[in-house]
Amino acid sequence: DMQLTQSPSTLSASVGDRVTITCRASQRVGAWLAWYQQKPGKAPKLLIYKASSLESGVPSRFSGSGSGTEFTLTISSLQSEDFATYYCHQYPHTFGQGTKLEIK
Amino acid sequence: EVQLAESGGGLVQPGGSLRLSCAISGVVFSSDEMNWVRQAPGKGLEWVAYISVSGSTIYYADSVKGRFTISRDNAKKSLYLQMNSLRAEDTATYYCARHGKNAFDLWGQGTKVTVSS
Repeated sequence: DMQLTQSPSTLSASVGDRVTITCRASQRVGAWLAWYQQKPGKAPKLLIYKASSLESGVPSRFSGSGSGTEFTLTISSLQSEDFATYYCHQYPHTFGQGTKLEIK
Repeated sequence: EVQLAESGGGLVQPGGSLRLSCAISGVVFSSDEMNWVRQAPGKGLEWVAYISVSGSTIYYADSVKGRFTISRDNAKKSLYLQMNSLRAEDTATYYCARHGKNAFDLWGQGTKVTVSS
């Protein structure tokens, strides 16, 4: 079975920082890798699809890259509203365990 | 505005049943593949079930196979999840999610299911 492993599990950062979250797959994924943001008590929100395509309405400070088995989500300059949990996802079945982005 | 709205969650005893609904507005729906995804308290996301546009193709996670049934009514623009033989480990918030761009591009707000005696 496919597994997605995110690192780190928790990330402490400050407003204005550049942060990167990594998602490693146990098998080649191709380009069908997505990233979601989830805030407490809310539904996940699609940020990135096809590894690097920015969903409509998502700020350009979010970017995705990677292929094969290693993917990254980068936030170029953290804003206060970006503190949340982030999940990678290989459609349709497999999610990473999540990365909680906390305020330092 | 596109909206997905789940309903039907609640408290149920182990072994009981519950039927979740997801009403879709602002989109065609009859051309959308749909899924259910759940999230146990404090845990990550778990895909539960998938249904094709016509309903002819259905997949389930192993954890719910044989107990849960996904269905849809395109005329009513609604998605359903019939949950039988519920267990404590089914306790979660259940989301309906639309397939788009080989991802889940649209999510409902979720409905909470608690399985407890």
